[in-house]
Amino acid sequence: EIVLTQSPGTLSLSPGERATLSCRASESVSSSYLAWYQQKPGQAPRLLIYGASSRATGIPDRFSGSGSGTDFTLTISRLDPEDFAVYYCQQYGYSPQYIFGQGTKLEIK
Amino acid sequence: EVQLLESGGALGQPGGSLRLSCAASGFTISSYAMSWVRQAPGKGLEWVAAISGSDGSTYYADSVKGRFTISRDNSKNTLYLQMNSLRAEDTAVYYCAKDGGSYFPGLLGLGYWGQGTLVTVSS
Repeated sequence: EIVLTQSPGTLSLSPGERATLSCRASESVSSSYLAWYQQKPGQAPRLLIYGASSRATGIPDRFSGSGSGTDFTLTISRLDPEDFAVYYCQQYGYSPQYIFGQGTKLEIK
Repeated sequence: EVQLLESGGALGQPGGSLRLSCAASGFTISSYAMSWVRQAPGKGLEWVAAISGSDGSTYYADSVKGRFTISRDNSKNTLYLQMNSLRAEDTAVYYCAKDGGSYFPGLLGLGYWGQGTLVTVSS
């Protein structure tokens, strides 16, 4: 089964800095099905990116996604205080099913 | 406005059963794929089950296959998750989520989520 590995586990940055989050698949996957979510404490996840690079409705343009094959990246160009949260990537796997990465916690430095 | 409201979370006994509901408004659930996703305390997201909008086909994670059943009542615009043979490791917040299209797996991501309902399995 496909495994999604996110790195780093925790990323400590300051507001205004650039954040780069990685999602690596254990085998080549279709970028068409790669999504990114943001989750804040006590809240449901929010869709940020679908199709590896398309922003969901209402998502600021400081969020961007890229990648193909096994390596995908979520970039936040200039961190806003509200961006500190946990981020998950998601892909579909065999069976079929949805698979989530283990998450990257973005914390204020 | 799309809204998803889960209910039915409770304390359940190991080996017991619970049924979760997700009342949808602002769209017709039979037109979209719908999923249940859970999150154990302090852990990450785990997809549990899905039902396609196109033909009602159902899909399950290996961890719940044979124990959980996803279904929908189109007349009530409500999604369900019947949970049988509960285990301690089923303890989690359960979210229902709407896919962007009718087919599973979908290309548009899970764009709408409910607030979640807590299931605790303990004797």
